[in-house]
Amino acid sequence: DTAVSQTPKYLVTQMGNDKSIKCEQNLGHDTMYWYKQDSKKFLKIMFSYNNKELIINETVPNRFSPKSPDKAHLNLHINSLELGDSAVYFCASSRVPLMNTEAFFGQGTRLTVV
Amino acid sequence: ILNVEQSPQSLHVQEGDSTNFTCSFPSSNFYALHWYRWETAKSPEALFVMTLNGDEKKKGRISATLNTKEGYSYLYIKGSQPEDSATYLCAFCSDTGTASKLTFGTGTRLQVTL
Repeated sequence: DTAVSQTPKYLVTQMGNDKSIKCEQNLGHDTMYWYKQDSKKFLKIMFSYNNKELIINETVPNRFSPKSPDKAHLNLHINSLELGDSAVYFCASSRVPLMNTEAFFGQGTRLTVV
Repeated sequence: ILNVEQSPQSLHVQEGDSTNFTCSFPSSNFYALHWYRWETAKSPEALFVMTLNGDEKKKGRISATLNTKEGYSYLYIKGSQPEDSATYLCAFCSDTGTASKLTFGTGTRLQVTL
C-alpha cells in the first residue's frame, strides 16, 4: 500500500480552469503538507495542516486553497489557473508538526497549464 | 529568507568510489536537519533526521554528520553502487514556534557508473 498517494499524477488543463489535486495518507499521521517544486527545482512549502487545522500558510496566491476533510486527507484546490502555476506539486505527511520526524512524500502531481 | 545550499550540484563517480556531499544551512534557530534520497520518477525518501550538534548517523553504506554551530552537514557514501544514483536533498528545519517547516536545498545529483 502506498503510504502517501496523490491523484492525479499528471494534470493538463487550460488557463482559467479550476482544478483539484487530492492527497491521502494511510500512516495515521497528524500533519500533512503541500510542497511545490519550482522552476529551479526547489521544494517549497505551501501549506501545512495538523489535525485538520491550518498551521502553515506561506505566501501563496489566494487562488490556492487547501482543504482537509479529515486528518488523512489534504486536497489542494486551484482556481483560475495561470501558466505560472505549472509545476510539480508534492503532498507529504509527518507524525507530528515539529519536523524532528521524517516526512513521507507522495509521488507528485505534474500540473501543466496551457 | 533561509538559504540552504548543497554542493556539488552534480557528481559522477565510478562504482566502488566513496563520495561525500555538503549541505550548508543557517546556524541560528536550528531545529533539525533532514537528508532525503530522491530517485527519478519516485518520491523523496528520508535517510536521516538529525537534531543534535555532533550527531552522526549511519544506514548501511551511507552516513551523515552534523555541525549546527557552523551550519553544515556532510553525507558520505562508501563504495558507491549504481543503485545509489539519485538526487540527495538536505532540508533545514527552523523552530518557528508551534509549527516547523522544511526548507530544502536544490540537491546533489549523483550518478554512479560501472
